[in-house]
Formats: sequence, structure tokens, C-alpha cells
Amino acid sequence: GAVVSQHPSWVICKSGTSVKIECRSLDFQATTMFWYRQFPKQSLMLMATSNEGSKATYEQGVEKDKFLINHASLTLSTLTVTSAHPEDSSFYICSTRETSNQPQHFGDGTRLSIL
Amino acid sequence: AQSVSQHNHHVILSEAASLELGCNYSYGGTVNLFWYVQYPGQHLQLLLKYFSGDPLVKGIKGFEAEFIKSKFSFNLRKPSVQWSDTAEYFCAVTPSGNTPLVFGKGTRLSVIA
Repeated sequence: GAVVSQHPSWVICKSGTSVKIECRSLDFQATTMFWYRQFPKQSLMLMATSNEGSKATYEQGVEKDKFLINHASLTLSTLTVTSAHPEDSSFYICSTRETSNQPQHFGDGTRLSIL
Repeated sequence: AQSVSQHNHHVILSEAASLELGCNYSYGGTVNLFWYVQYPGQHLQLLLKYFSGDPLVKGIKGFEAEFIKSKFSFNLRKPSVQWSDTAEYFCAVTPSGNTPLVFGKGTRLSVIA
């Protein structure tokens, strides 16, 4: 069964809207979650590492004020795309693992389409 | 910075043909290596992983991969592909420790009957 639950699976909204994506770890407590972005026919690019109870660590080139990450509990991390524009349209995927010596499990992803 | 290279962008095979997908990484230290598969419309699923020990790793659905440290490679193989193997395959690497996966660009496999 699913280890990581991601919601919503698909969002279509107007430019300027803020969109929140939720990622839940179902089977274990996740102190760390990872957020990736995947453009069509391209690989997953790490956006940020979400740490429970502290600030997220963003990869170079990712705007932290644009992509707000909150990891308020050991089972939930949220990514909010603020004032989304068409160039933010992409496939966003969260991931987590139980310990550093375990493989990462992935959510089903959220397809974000900004009109 | 670490990087992962997958040599083939798109591979087209007939059913029963043998498969080998290349993966090379650039990192000098100890690494954990993975192959993930993404079937159309589905999330990433783990095919197999290498942490240590026997460099020939067997995964699900008849896939295997061989870690060759001297070549910084972790190629994926399957002796006889099926139509249901049509998917996107991603090689991923992480140094030992709590660091996130770095992915290759992926290889699309199309198996035709």
C-alpha cells in the first residue's frame, strides 16, 4: 500500500492564486521530507528538504518566498506555491524515508496547471 | 556536485529482447544506488537498491543491476522484456547519510509486441 499520500493530485487555477500541496507519511514518522519538481520529459529536480520543527533547506535557484514549506508535524509537510504563474506549472512530488539507510518513498505527485 | 548520467533517452525494444540501461554517477565517496520505475500515470516505485555487499543486485520483476565501482556505473539489466515493462526508468544516487536522492534524466523504455 501507499507509504506517502500527496494531495491534491491535480490543480488547475488562475494566475496569481496560491496553491497548497500536502504530503503525509502514512507508515512512519518522517523528520525529513523532500520536495521535487518534474518538468515534462525531464528528471526530478530537488527543490527543498523539509525538516520537522525547523526551516526548510532550499536548493540553489529555488525561491523560498515563492515556495513556502511547512513541516509542522512528523507526518505532514506542506508546499505552498504563492502567487502562482504559468511558469510554475509542473509536476510536484514529495518523498520521505524512515531512516537514512532506507530507500525513499514517493507520493503520487501533484500536477499543477496555472492558466 | 553530484550528478547522475543516463545514456539513453529513449529505448525501443521488441518483447523478449534483452535490456541494458546505462547509469553513471560522479561522486568519489561511498554511495547508495537506486533504480526507480515510473509507469504511465503512476508514482515512482523502487526497482532495486545497492547499499553494500554483492555488487550484483536483484530487484523486482526480473530486473537486476551491477555496481562497478571502478567505472562509477550501476547499469540496469533484464534478460527478456515484456510489454508491461514500458515505463520511465530513473537511476538515483545518494551519498551515505541523510541526504536526498539525485536523479538521472531518466530513460523511456517502449516495448513493442
